Amino acid sequence: ELKVEQNPLFLSMQEGKNYTIYCNYSTTSDRLYWYRQDPGKSLESLFVLLSNGAVKQEGRLMASLDTKARLSTLHITAAVHDLSATYFCAVDRGQFYFGTGTSLTVIP
Amino acid sequence: EAQVTQNPRYLITVTGKKLTVTCSQNMNHEYMSWYRQDPGLGLRQIYYSMNVEVTDKGDVPEGYKVSRKEKRNFPLILESPSPNQTSLYFCASSPTPGQWNTEAFFGQGTRLTVV
Repeated sequence: ELKVEQNPLFLSMQEGKNYTIYCNYSTTSDRLYWYRQDPGKSLESLFVLLSNGAVKQEGRLMASLDTKARLSTLHITAAVHDLSATYFCAVDRGQFYFGTGTSLTVIP
Repeated sequence: EAQVTQNPRYLITVTGKKLTVTCSQNMNHEYMSWYRQDPGLGLRQIYYSMNVEVTDKGDVPEGYKVSRKEKRNFPLILESPSPNQTSLYFCASSPTPGQWNTEAFFGQGTRLTVV
């Protein structure tokens, strides 16, 4: 069974700081997705990573994929309060496997 | 507009009273799935469907049924709900896993309370 682990599970950071969320998965896959969920809301697609070395950036968020290491990272640059949410990574391996999520709180 | 529509958004019911949560997508996606989300447990897959008349169990299928008679619809059925099925439920659709881009689209969620 494929396992997807995210670290950390909870993250509290100050505005203006940088941080990285890690997503490790246990079986090879070339497709990895990042989603954002605001409290009580649905999941919104953030990034689609479809090959080794893929890097995508949107505003203060940048995601990368290393399929050899089975690792994806979501890097936050100069955090702002609006980024407070829960972030999920998901791997496509015939069906979708989600990480447990990282709850991010950005403190003014 | 491409979307996944779930109904109802909120539901309070009593133990044992059968209910159905509907899910419909307008993107002609082959793959549809149901998840439940509970605090500290992330998203857990209940059932998924690779295409019409093809369904399979996910990680937590006990107490749930699904059907896929049409490509666009994938209802979740609780024949005899119990309080441990109180949760936030999401339906999702995507192109068939294994293809180039299988980005999933999620419904708005159904918050179910079983008393």
